[in-house]
Amino acid sequence: GENVEQHPSTLSVQEGDSAVIKCTYSDSASNYFPWYKQELGKGPQLIIDIRSNVGEKKDQRIAVTLNKTAKHFSLHITETQPEDSAVYFCAPEWYSGGGADGLTFGKGTHLIIQP
Amino acid sequence: NAGVTQTPKFQVLKTGQSMTLQCAQDMNHNSMYWYRQDPGMGLRLIYYSASEGTTDKGEVPNGYNVSRLNKREFSLRLESAAPSQTSVYFCASVRGDRLSGNTIYFGEGSWLTVV
Repeated sequence: GENVEQHPSTLSVQEGDSAVIKCTYSDSASNYFPWYKQELGKGPQLIIDIRSNVGEKKDQRIAVTLNKTAKHFSLHITETQPEDSAVYFCAPEWYSGGGADGLTFGKGTHLIIQP
Repeated sequence: NAGVTQTPKFQVLKTGQSMTLQCAQDMNHNSMYWYRQDPGMGLRLIYYSASEGTTDKGEVPNGYNVSRLNKREFSLRLESAAPSQTSVYFCASVRGDRLSGNTIYFGEGSWLTVV
C-alpha cells in the first residue's frame, strides 16, 4: 500500500489570497496524482489531476505541481473565492502488482475562505 | 445521467441489527468501491470489486460483507451493526479493470448511525 500524508489539515485564507496544499506519498511507482474536492454533504469530486510525465498542470484558478524525486505534489488555488471552501483530498495511485488495486486518500485539508 | 446512486441516504440502526447499503452505477465501469469516512480519518477503503464476480478486502473490512451482484450493482452489508460502524459510507466506481489513472466517481454518501 501507499503512505499518504497531507498538510495542512486546516487552512484558513482571506478571500482573494492563494492557498497551497501539499501531499507526500511513499510509493515511487505511483504515476497518477489527482486532487478531489468534497463539499459539505456530498461525495468527493475530481478537480484536477496530473501524470508522472508532467511537472505542472493548470486549469483556470487551480494548478497541481509534481515533484517525483521528492515524492510530493501540491494543489494551488489562486484568487480564492467563498465557493472554494471545502475539504480537499489527494489520492496518489498505487498498484500492488498482485491483481489488487485501489487508491489511498490523504486525510483531507479543510480549506476555509474568510470573507 | 445518474452516475453513482446510493441508498439509503440516512439510516439509524440499533446495535446488533443488520442492513444492506445499495449502490448502482450507470457508467458501465468495471471497478467499484466502498469507503467509509470518519472525522480526522479521511476516506478508508472497506472493500472493492475490480470486476464483476470478484471482490477484495480493503483497509478496514472487519464487520462488513459485500456482493457484486452484476456489473452495475455493488452492495455493502453490516451483519451485526456496532456503534463503531457509525460513519458516512461512500460508494464509488472507476473505468477499467485496473485503476490506471482513471477518475473516481463517488455517490452522494449514506449517513449511518448505530445506537
